Formats: sequence, C-alpha cells, structure tokens
Amino acid sequence: AQTVTQSQPEMSVQEAETVTLSCTYDTSESDYYLFWYKQPPSRQMILVIRQEAYKQQNATENRFSVNFQKAAKSFSLKISDSQLGDAAMYFCAYTKRAPNSGGSNYKLTFGKGTLLTVNP
Amino acid sequence: ETGVTQSPTHLIKTRGQQVTLRCSSQSGHNTVSWYQQALGQGPQFIFQYYREEENGRGNFPPRFSGLQFPNYSSELNVNALELDDSALYLCASSRGSIRRGNEKLFFGSGTQLSVL
Repeated sequence: AQTVTQSQPEMSVQEAETVTLSCTYDTSESDYYLFWYKQPPSRQMILVIRQEAYKQQNATENRFSVNFQKAAKSFSLKISDSQLGDAAMYFCAYTKRAPNSGGSNYKLTFGKGTLLTVNP
Repeated sequence: ETGVTQSPTHLIKTRGQQVTLRCSSQSGHNTVSWYQQALGQGPQFIFQYYREEENGRGNFPPRFSGLQFPNYSSELNVNALELDDSALYLCASSRGSIRRGNEKLFFGSGTQLSVL
C-alpha cells in the first residue's frame, strides 16, 4: 500500500523568508503523480503544485517549487518570499497514474499535514 | 475555477442515526470523489463516482454509500453513525474522460459532522 509521510507537524517562517516542507512516500509504482495541497481555515483544499513522476524537471509555480527525488522517494516543497497568506495546513499527496479508461480513478493518499505559521 | 459546493456546512447527529451529505460538482465535471478528514489527519479516500457509477472505493464499511445523479451532483450517506464518524467530509470533482485520467481535482469546503 502507498503511504505518505510528513515528518514536520509544524513549521514557522518569517515573512519574506524561505521555508521547506518535507514529504516522503512509499510506492511500488513507477508512474504516478505527487501533489502539495494547502488547506486554510476555510477548509477548502487548494492545489499548490503537481509533479508527474516521469518528468525529471522539478515543478514550479511562482513562489512555490518542489525538489523531487524519485530514487529517494522524497518530495519537498519550497516556499520563497513567504507571505502572511501562505499560513495554512499543507498536505503532501500521491496518486498512481490512472489507466487509459473512463473516469479519473483518482484515489489520493494524503500525509498528515504540516501546519505552517508565517510571522510578520 | 472552483465551484464545488457542499451542504450543510455543519451537522450534529447522535450515534445510530443516519446522515446524508450533499455535493454540487463544478460545471462540466462528471467525476466526484468523497474524502473523510478526521481531526489532525489528512483526508482519506471514501469512494469515487464517474457517470453515476461507483468507480473506486477506499477502506470504508458498506454503511458508507453514495449516489451520483444525472446532473453529476452527489450524495454521501452514512448509516448507523458511530462516534468515530465525526470528521470533516470533503467532496472533490474533476473532469474524467476516455483519455488518460488524473485530471485536476477541485475541492469543496466540506461538511463538518459531529456525532454525539
């Protein structure tokens, strides 16, 4: 079974500084997706960034970037120039690539999350 | 792009009762997934519906059941509620297709269920 581990229950960062959130995962699949989701107090899960396992290049989305180490099964999130609005719970998630058939077959496996605090 | 709505936002039930939670998918989305998020945990996959049929199920007992309607809205039903069913229930929709899946998921804000 696939597992996702986030070893940092809480992290804090000063506004405008950089912070890295850690995630490791375990799978026997070779083709899969990894995600970072943000969950603010509104409770809605918001996709921050997505990485396809077959792509060696690390994904980036503005101030957010990942360090994807496939052999080590590690997937960390770097937030640059942290802003007060970045404060939230961050979840790392995994899903294997869906077969070429109908439906998204989207079973996401989540970690337990890291609570990020941004200090002004 | 988000447009997934869930109702109610909060609900209190007693042990043994039955509950129905509702989800309205984003326009154009034909796939809906339900997740249970216990306090201090990440969401856990309950099941997924694609074009009104169950398309995958997580490790949840049969008293968790669902429906997807022709307009792709969805219901999650839980019978014989237990205290451990207290959690945030999240609905997510996506645009499944006959091509490769793994389309982007859009989540609602959830229903907070408390079982007393």
